[in-house]
Amino acid sequence: NAGVTQTPKFQVLKTGQSMTLQCAQDMNHNSMYWYRQDPGMGLRLIYYSASEGTTDKGEVPNGYNVSRLNKREFSLRLESAAPSQTSVYFCASIWDRVTTEAFFGQGTRLTVV
Amino acid sequence: AQSVTQPDIHITVSEGASLELRCNYSYGATPYLFWYVQSPGQGLQLLLKYFSGDTLVQGIKGFEAEFKRSQSSFNLRKPSVHWSDAAEYFCAVVPYSGAGSYQLTFGKGTKLSVIP
Repeated sequence: NAGVTQTPKFQVLKTGQSMTLQCAQDMNHNSMYWYRQDPGMGLRLIYYSASEGTTDKGEVPNGYNVSRLNKREFSLRLESAAPSQTSVYFCASIWDRVTTEAFFGQGTRLTVV
Repeated sequence: AQSVTQPDIHITVSEGASLELRCNYSYGATPYLFWYVQSPGQGLQLLLKYFSGDTLVQGIKGFEAEFKRSQSSFNLRKPSVHWSDAAEYFCAVVPYSGAGSYQLTFGKGTKLSVIP
């Protein structure tokens, strides 16, 4: 099915370990986003990529890096995981920021111990 | 600073009652406005959106929202709530133009509980 695919769905890391969350969309969308969702905090934007070849910081970028590998793929990397990064991470994509809705992946539940 | 606020963290209504969820924004110009819904353990689904024109917008699942420029508000309403509407609701904005104009920002959400 067409949509946004995130991997993995679940992950447990030890403090200091690194990992990359993968996101791919097959809708030919231009813009892609990474959010984290914590109870009572809503979705907070970590990084976004308005178009292929560009990335920008969102509200909470510290401790994260991103790569817009191509138009389809947008990865999020935690270089040295911390317990404060325990969260549910969502990837989203939009074809056009105005006329179309954002499509979301099913989320990655990350626990850092 | 630009922001979007949902003043109500949790609302409980009886099935069949009417519903209004509040959303206020603080941006230099009227942004593009959205309401999303998230069921437990799921991603987000778009309910409706406002770009311009008629200030009363109809969405899916019987929801509507009214844009009021004077109050910087975009409140979500439903005349008669069903038990299946229990979920968390998020207001979201994209700036009309300028720096960060691709930045899709969400409010903190309002959790809706429905009493049968």
